[in-house]
Amino acid sequence: ILNVEQSPQSLHVQEGDSTNFTCSFPSSNFYALHWYRWETAKSPEALFVMTLNGDEKKKGRISATLNTKEGYSYLYIKGSQPEDSATYLCESSDSWGKLQFGAGTQVVVTP
Amino acid sequence: DTAVSQTPKYLVTQMGNDKSIKCEQNLGHDTMYWYKQDSKKFLKIMFSYNNKELIINETVPNRFSPKSPDKAHLNLHINSLELGDSAVYFCASSSTTGPGNTIYFGEGSWLTVV
Repeated sequence: ILNVEQSPQSLHVQEGDSTNFTCSFPSSNFYALHWYRWETAKSPEALFVMTLNGDEKKKGRISATLNTKEGYSYLYIKGSQPEDSATYLCESSDSWGKLQFGAGTQVVVTP
Repeated sequence: DTAVSQTPKYLVTQMGNDKSIKCEQNLGHDTMYWYKQDSKKFLKIMFSYNNKELIINETVPNRFSPKSPDKAHLNLHINSLELGDSAVYFCASSSTTGPGNTIYFGEGSWLTVV
């Protein structure tokens, strides 16, 4: 059973358009949420870590929000570029140290 | 310098063989992990070591045995390889064992069992 779910599984975005996708996770005993960017044939790379309800993080054109009460996080990409094409993974950890990855959202940005 | 390095990157081997994948991190981290990317592309944790001690051992066949000679190394040894062991295996590390630590991944080892 995968308690961390990401949707959509994949999406295609036109270059220049903005997009967003979600990660839902168990809200009980929540401790932290990570977003990772995973390019094909490379290793996942950390983007953000968020711990507090209402957290917002930003890195360039990519930003993320966190709602720990309802158990979801959004990742936004503004003005998508081809180099944004990757799989975006979220990982949730609880206060017991148990962590779980979602299956990822594959983003394909077409010129 | 690669922070988390694993070797070999590609490994093709026959059923029944024993093989090892090595992992080293130069980040000074206390915790190291092995993950398996399954056929559905999910990343699942297999093992976690903190300062050479096993702290997480998910439901993994006994044929898989991690070995940590020091806290900078966590090697994965697999006995009697089976077809279903074909997958990408990722080594990773983090500064401590607590929740919320950022995980740094190696580039993966593609294992194909024929």
